[in-house]
Amino acid sequence: GESVGLHLPTLSVQEGDNSIINCAYSNSASDYFIWYKQESGKGPQFIIDIRSNMDKRQGQRVTVLLNKTVKHLSLQIAATQPGDSAVYFCAEEGRRALTFGSGTRLQVQP
Amino acid sequence: NAGVTQTPKFQVLKTGQSMTLQCAQDMNHEYMSWYRQDPGMGLRLIHYSVGAGITDQGEVPNGYNVSRSTTEDFPLRLLSAAPSQTSVYFCASSIGVSGELFFGEGSRLTVL
Repeated sequence: GESVGLHLPTLSVQEGDNSIINCAYSNSASDYFIWYKQESGKGPQFIIDIRSNMDKRQGQRVTVLLNKTVKHLSLQIAATQPGDSAVYFCAEEGRRALTFGSGTRLQVQP
Repeated sequence: NAGVTQTPKFQVLKTGQSMTLQCAQDMNHEYMSWYRQDPGMGLRLIHYSVGAGITDQGEVPNGYNVSRSTTEDFPLRLLSAAPSQTSVYFCASSIGVSGELFFGEGSRLTVL
């Protein structure tokens, strides 16, 4: 499997609990933010996005919160399942490309 | 629907060898990019392209070349491989710079 993330911060939760993954971004002018999920051995997959004119957006079992004052983004996963185990990246839109954070590993304990 | 296809999935090179990582997308996306992923460092942008015939450098372009002769293909060339280029490489595409990026499955490169 993927050896990415040997030194990643890790969040360990019990199956059925809610998970909160946090991210600090750098550019106060960023207008667009995305959360990606990366399972072992695979490429990142889109989860949910949010624009800077919003402070909250909900999807299926996931919610993204944006606090522009402190440049903070969070991903909330409701009723966490074993299939949610992965590395999660936040990304902010730059002038020419998305800039990714270093990621957080989510481990779901049965 | 294939999405973004990368080849090869695995490659071992010796220092100084050259090779090309292939990337193709079938979604008619204008924007394509290459990232490398190293432990604890997230994804770093190598090169990107906003359309056929147009390429530009990203955050870590040294040692890599790209071309975009068609909308579908965006190959990444390593001119003279170095151990520091050992990494997992991801190609991605999207409709534009802003918006959902679709990633390939990755190419794991080891340079000895």
